[in-house]
Amino acid sequence: AQSVTQLDSQVPVFEEAPVELRCNYSSSVSVYLFWYVQYPNQGLQLLLKYLSGSTLVKGINGFEAEFNKSQTSFHLRKPSVHISDTAEYFCAVSFGGTSYGKLTFGQGTILTVHP
Amino acid sequence: DTEVTQTPKHLVMGMTNKKSLKCEQHMGHRAMYWYKQKAKKPPELMFVYSYEKLSINESVPSRFSPECPNSSLLNLHLHALQPEDSALYLCASSQGGTEYNEQFFGPGTRLTVL
Repeated sequence: AQSVTQLDSQVPVFEEAPVELRCNYSSSVSVYLFWYVQYPNQGLQLLLKYLSGSTLVKGINGFEAEFNKSQTSFHLRKPSVHISDTAEYFCAVSFGGTSYGKLTFGQGTILTVHP
Repeated sequence: DTEVTQTPKHLVMGMTNKKSLKCEQHMGHRAMYWYKQKAKKPPELMFVYSYEKLSINESVPSRFSPECPNSSLLNLHLHALQPEDSALYLCASSQGGTEYNEQFFGPGTRLTVL
């Protein structure tokens, strides 16, 4: 079965600390991977995506993610977080052969950055 | 223009009202999506239009009626809603509607059904 799991529902960190938000998927077909951020009462904004090629992808706001096919993971990282990074983060996967780019979302991780 | 716009931002309606949500994009995208998002949950896909044709309906109740008048516009007509339909309704678009096309999301309409 195809699924996406975000292992942590909430991640609290202090400002300027590094952070990793974890995402794992289950699939027997090819995958296209996305991380979105959602600030309170707003829509989703694309942080980064992995389609093919280099497994380390860099996105906006200093975030990066690494695709690990053997571990079926796509963890999001930032070396030093700011208060403004407080938001909810969704990992989303489009499975190969999926009609019309249908996304399967993880349950989301709320990142709270404390001063 | 890399924006998806949605109107209104907020909507309060009674269970007997008829209202519509509007979504617009001018990126030349050919796929448009409606999602419903409840608090502390990920978005749930409702409908997909591809090249102005309804391509996916995720078994959504008929009190939600989508419409795609042209390639830039997407409407969601609401009628006889229930309080449990209160949610954030998100519109998105993508270039070709394939697995590798990223979706661009609008800011959403916060709907409250009384």
